[in-house]
Amino acid sequence: ELKVEQNPLFLSMQEGKNYTIYCNYSTTSDRLYWYRQDPGKSLESLFVLLSNGAVKQEGRLMASLDTKARLSTLHITAAVHDLSATYFCAVDIGGSQGNLIFGKGTKLSVKP
Amino acid sequence: KAGVTQTPRYLIKTRGQQVTLSCSPISGHRSVSWYQQTPGQGLQFLFEYFSETQRNKGNFPGRFSGRQFSNSRSEMNVSTLELGDSALYLCASSSPRGALTQYFGPGTRLLVL
Repeated sequence: ELKVEQNPLFLSMQEGKNYTIYCNYSTTSDRLYWYRQDPGKSLESLFVLLSNGAVKQEGRLMASLDTKARLSTLHITAAVHDLSATYFCAVDIGGSQGNLIFGKGTKLSVKP
Repeated sequence: KAGVTQTPRYLIKTRGQQVTLSCSPISGHRSVSWYQQTPGQGLQFLFEYFSETQRNKGNFPGRFSGRQFSNSRSEMNVSTLELGDSALYLCASSSPRGALTQYFGPGTRLLVL
């Protein structure tokens, strides 16, 4: 059974600080996704990582994928309050992108 | 392009009733997936439809079913509702070409009393 584990599950950080969220998964997959969810809202796609060594950056967020270690990281640089949200990583199985297994999510709170 | 739409947005039902939720994917997307989100279990995959065929199914009881129509719109049905079915039900669509990203709708929040 595929398991996706994120840590930490809760993260409180100060504005301006850097931090990394980790996502480990238990079986082979070539695609890893990061999503953001604001309270009471749906999921917003952040990144799709398709191959080993893939790195993508958008603003203060950078995601990377190491398929050999079955590990993805989401690095936050110089956090700002607007980044406060819950971040999910997800891995697809079965060869179609329609079947995602999600981690439990990391609830990020950025305080001034 | 309009995003994924889901109706209704909120629903209150009682135990034993059944419910049907609807999802309209982004125009041109033929794959529709359904997920259940609860505080305890998180986000769990229910099923995926592509060209009116169920392509994948998650580990949910047979009370949960779905279908897809020729215009790619999808419905999911839950029969004999239980208290534990209270959740946010999210629908996502994706295109077989391009970015491989699933785009999520706003969700239907179901409360079972």
